[in-house]
Amino acid sequence: GAVVSQHPSWVICKSGTSVKIECRSLDFQATTMFWYRQFPKQSLMLMATSNEGSKATYEQGVEKDKFLINHASLTLSTLTVTSAHPEDSSFYICSARDRLAGHYEQYFGPGTRLTVT
Amino acid sequence: TQLLEQSPQFLSIQEGENLTVYCNSSSVFSSLQWYRQEPGEGPVLLVTVVTGGEVKKLKRLTFQFGDARKDSSLHITAAQPGDTGLYLCAPSRQGAQKLVFGQGTRLTINP
Repeated sequence: GAVVSQHPSWVICKSGTSVKIECRSLDFQATTMFWYRQFPKQSLMLMATSNEGSKATYEQGVEKDKFLINHASLTLSTLTVTSAHPEDSSFYICSARDRLAGHYEQYFGPGTRLTVT
Repeated sequence: TQLLEQSPQFLSIQEGENLTVYCNSSSVFSSLQWYRQEPGEGPVLLVTVVTGGEVKKLKRLTFQFGDARKDSSLHITAAQPGDTGLYLCAPSRQGAQKLVFGQGTRLTINP
């Protein structure tokens, strides 16, 4: 149980284009999903918290117009990197909280490696 | 802003040795999760500790939550190359949605 998938697992795009990453909870309902960014050899950096049916809450320093988050259902959240630039190249990971779980455990997707050329 | 510190940041030891990594904070938490992340993959939840002083075992891994619920430790007995990875602690507070991750301990077990 508690499986989270991400699609695509890796993507290469040209500078100036937009890329959409999907995060799905496969066997549970997630009222809350989180998007993280991870640079090589570093820990996870929280970008935003996504609640189903409402606007995402972005962490300080994260541009909400550049990183568009949509959480339209209890099993799907999407992150769209708009007008991507090479500095947006990174490993993007989503996680989801099981709404029935008690202790704020998060289950992570396998990550999406984005390379902007 | 809570201060969360994991130590050591890097650890490289030989197969068969024992090790302990630490997660310390000045804040009190309602629970704490430990995750392991391998290169190119997402973190995998290892354990959640909730009660002060709680000890949980997962095969060769022993997790302890401090009595005051401000710190935690992870002890690995007879480390194996498969234990290699980034170990992350993530405490949470009652009512808070998000987890705060430490910078992690990057563990390498050499055969």
